Amino acid sequence: AQSVTQLDSQVPVFEEAPVELRCNYSSSVSVYLFWYVQYPNQGLQLLLKYLSGSTLVKGINGFEAEFNKSQTSFHLRKPSVHISDTAEYFCAVSMIIQGAQKLVFGQGTRLTINP
Amino acid sequence: DVKVTQSSRYLVKRTGEKVFLECVQDMDHENMFWYRQDPGLGLRLIYFSYDVKMKEKGDIPEGYSVSREKKERFSLILESASTNQTSMYLCASRKGQKLNNEQFFGPGTRLTVL
Repeated sequence: AQSVTQLDSQVPVFEEAPVELRCNYSSSVSVYLFWYVQYPNQGLQLLLKYLSGSTLVKGINGFEAEFNKSQTSFHLRKPSVHISDTAEYFCAVSMIIQGAQKLVFGQGTRLTINP
Repeated sequence: DVKVTQSSRYLVKRTGEKVFLECVQDMDHENMFWYRQDPGLGLRLIYFSYDVKMKEKGDIPEGYSVSREKKERFSLILESASTNQTSMYLCASRKGQKLNNEQFFGPGTRLTVL
């Protein structure tokens, strides 16, 4: 079965520290990968996406993610976080399931930045 | 800019009431989606629609129905609300059928069923 796993439900870090949010997926076919961010009391906003080509993808707000096909991972990173990065982050995989195009989401990772 | 709007940010209803959640997008997208978001479960797909008057069941359709009479509007209906339907509901839209097209999300409706 196709699934997306975000290994950490909560990640607390200090301001200006680096952060990595982990995402693994299971699929036997080619997929497209996305990271979305949800700021408090808002909907989801696209952070970045991997479609093809370079495995290192750069997104908004200084975030980047690396696609690793052999490890079926798409981890999100930022070298130095800011208080404003406090949010929930969702990894998602776009794939065809039973003939329908679906976006399958991970459980989400709540990133908390401490001063 | 794509804009997806939802009729209410917060809604409180009583058990057994019929509830309508409305979603409107302004970019002529063919595809529209309803998700519910619960802590620790991420987003789960309730229903989606590829075109006007079309609807497809998602992963958790039980207790819900939908209506798409116009391209820009996709409504989620709770025929008889129950307390286990207390959740955040998110609407999204997407252009075309390509898997690599992103979905655009509305701000969400936080529904509480008492």
